[in-house]
Amino acid sequence: NAGVTQTPKFQVLKTGQSMTLQCAQDMNHNSMYWYRQDPGMGLRLIYYSASEGTTDKGEVPNGYNVSRLNKREFSLRLESAAPSQTSVYFCASSETGLSYEQYFGPGTRLTVT
Amino acid sequence: AQTVTQSQPEMSVQEAETVTLSCTYDTSENNYYLFWYKQPPSRQMILVIRQEAYKQQNATENRFSVNFQKAAKSFSLKISDSQLGDTAMYFCAFSKTGFQKLVFGTGTRLLVSP
Repeated sequence: NAGVTQTPKFQVLKTGQSMTLQCAQDMNHNSMYWYRQDPGMGLRLIYYSASEGTTDKGEVPNGYNVSRLNKREFSLRLESAAPSQTSVYFCASSETGLSYEQYFGPGTRLTVT
Repeated sequence: AQTVTQSQPEMSVQEAETVTLSCTYDTSENNYYLFWYKQPPSRQMILVIRQEAYKQQNATENRFSVNFQKAAKSFSLKISDSQLGDTAMYFCAFSKTGFQKLVFGTGTRLLVSP
């Protein structure tokens, strides 16, 4: 099992460009999440999907959109990148129900110039 | 809203010694979960230990144990017999019961030296 995979691992964008971060899990989990990690601020939830077909905003959703393509895949899109979106992005997945462990992907380091 | 506070930005310890990382949280919930995650230089987030608030017994996982003080809203992590591989950022996190969204603290960077 690969667990949670993310592509790409690194990306540099210019201000105003768009891109989609891809995430896939092979653990048959219902719930998936996108976090961003900034220095000194820990991880903050951007969007989550409790089950296939549903998505909800987290703590910092502005400037992002998500798509739960199917049970395995959950993508994060930046329509018009801004320097404030320079961060490390993590995707995670978990079972639904009680607070099960979240399994994290390896992260994507995004730089917006 | 829930908040998680880690007041120690950095800690250091020598190999084989014991170190305790602090975490406090604020919530009006009675049932919830608390977690410690480890993030080594590889950047991978790894669950270290989990505590369910309704359980009075402190969780332990090999060299890792917690001191959960519900009334004080404190959740510290004790690492015994520290190893070089324990060098990492450690994040405390909170989740309401049945609600998987995690709220993270700002992290403590732990350096284990020979």
